[in-house]
Amino acid sequence: EDKVVQSPLSLVVHEGDTVTLNCSYEVTNFRSLLWYKQEKKAPTFLFMLTSSGIEKKSGRLSSILDKKELFSILNITATQTGDSAVYLCAVTIGPGGTSYGKLTFGQGTILTVHP
Amino acid sequence: DTGVSQDPRHKITKRGQNVTFRCDPISEHNRLYWYRQTLGQGPEFLTYFQNEAQLEKSRLLSDRFSAERPKGSFSTLEIQRTEQGDSAMYLCASSNDRGSYEQYFGPGTRLTVT
Repeated sequence: EDKVVQSPLSLVVHEGDTVTLNCSYEVTNFRSLLWYKQEKKAPTFLFMLTSSGIEKKSGRLSSILDKKELFSILNITATQTGDSAVYLCAVTIGPGGTSYGKLTFGQGTILTVHP
Repeated sequence: DTGVSQDPRHKITKRGQNVTFRCDPISEHNRLYWYRQTLGQGPEFLTYFQNEAQLEKSRLLSDRFSAERPKGSFSTLEIQRTEQGDSAMYLCASSNDRGSYEQYFGPGTRLTVT
């Protein structure tokens, strides 16, 4: 059974801190890993990673994938109160495997940034 | 706005009643997905369509749940004989099947079964 595990489950920091969120996975025929941000509403897309070792960046957020060790990290530098949210990691599998196309999510990391 | 839309946003129903939700995907997306999310958990896959074809349905989905996408555009998700355990946020997402495949989510329908 495909499995996605995120750590930590929750994290409390102060503005300006840097945080690292972790996502490990066990899936058959891995295709891609996606990060989403969820703030009391639907998840909003952040990054999709398919190639190992290539960092994706958007402002203060960055993410990298390690396909050999089966994990990804999401970094947020100079955190702001607006970064407070649940961060979800999900994986998809490729053609030839079952369940092609669906997202399998981890349980999420709750990030709280205090002023 | 050309994002994914869902209707209604909130639904309160009594146990045993039937409910139906609607999802309108991003217009150029031919894939449409339904997920369910309960408090403190990540979304859980229910089913997905490519155009009008339903390609997969979760083994966890009971026979009380049915989804359609008759013309390959909007989709409906029906729950018959609702139970309190059906209370959750029902999320719809869409994507294309070319290039990046990333899924974009609608605002969700929050169902409360009393």
